[in-house]
Amino acid sequence: AQKVTQAQTEISVVEKEDVTLDCVYETRDTTYYLFWYKQPPSGELVFLIRRNSFDEQNEISGRYSWNFQKSTSSFNFTITASQVVDSAVYFCALTEDTGNQFYFGTGTSLTVIP
Amino acid sequence: GAVVSQHPSWVICKSGTSVKIECRSLDFQATTMFWYRQFPKQSLMLMATSNEGSKATYEQGVEKDKFLINHASLTLSTLTVTSAHPEDSSFYICSARGGGANYYEQYFGPGTRLTVT
Repeated sequence: AQKVTQAQTEISVVEKEDVTLDCVYETRDTTYYLFWYKQPPSGELVFLIRRNSFDEQNEISGRYSWNFQKSTSSFNFTITASQVVDSAVYFCALTEDTGNQFYFGTGTSLTVIP
Repeated sequence: GAVVSQHPSWVICKSGTSVKIECRSLDFQATTMFWYRQFPKQSLMLMATSNEGSKATYEQGVEKDKFLINHASLTLSTLTVTSAHPEDSSFYICSARGGGANYYEQYFGPGTRLTVT
């Protein structure tokens, strides 16, 4: 079973639109960590955020915001007023308490059209 | 802090030759490093977990004799693709696991793009 599901394979939005990238996870651990990474065409993974399972507070960082809801096992990522530079593949990932393995979602390719 | 480098960033080799990729943790010691492979438009797939001073643990379906991993020091792990074939062409990414209280973190290298002709 897929531990991290990103149902949206590709999304296209027009610049300045808001866009939400969905992430649903599955784990039996009570302690776990969720991550979002951005992968631009260069390939290097850019860390965006880490959240532990005990912190359900939503977070905002500039145009980025994250909504963590344990009740629905979701950790969604919203970009407000999207820009062309936001075009990239975004990965959601989960690691459990052992920290032995990162489980990556299949990624969502975001294209922001000028 | 927590910077991981990879060398080379890209390499082209002929079929049948071997290629070595280095992964270094520059400002911290990493007892555990991970190697991932990413094909175009796909997610990262874990190939193996490398622990300093011991044999690597390979994921199911990954040929250990083809992908040789050596983690000889706390700051260096190497992946050698032996007798490379065009189907081994891929983007290889390493990561280093954080230590102490940051055990759940993985710090990713910039990746190595391998093309086998």
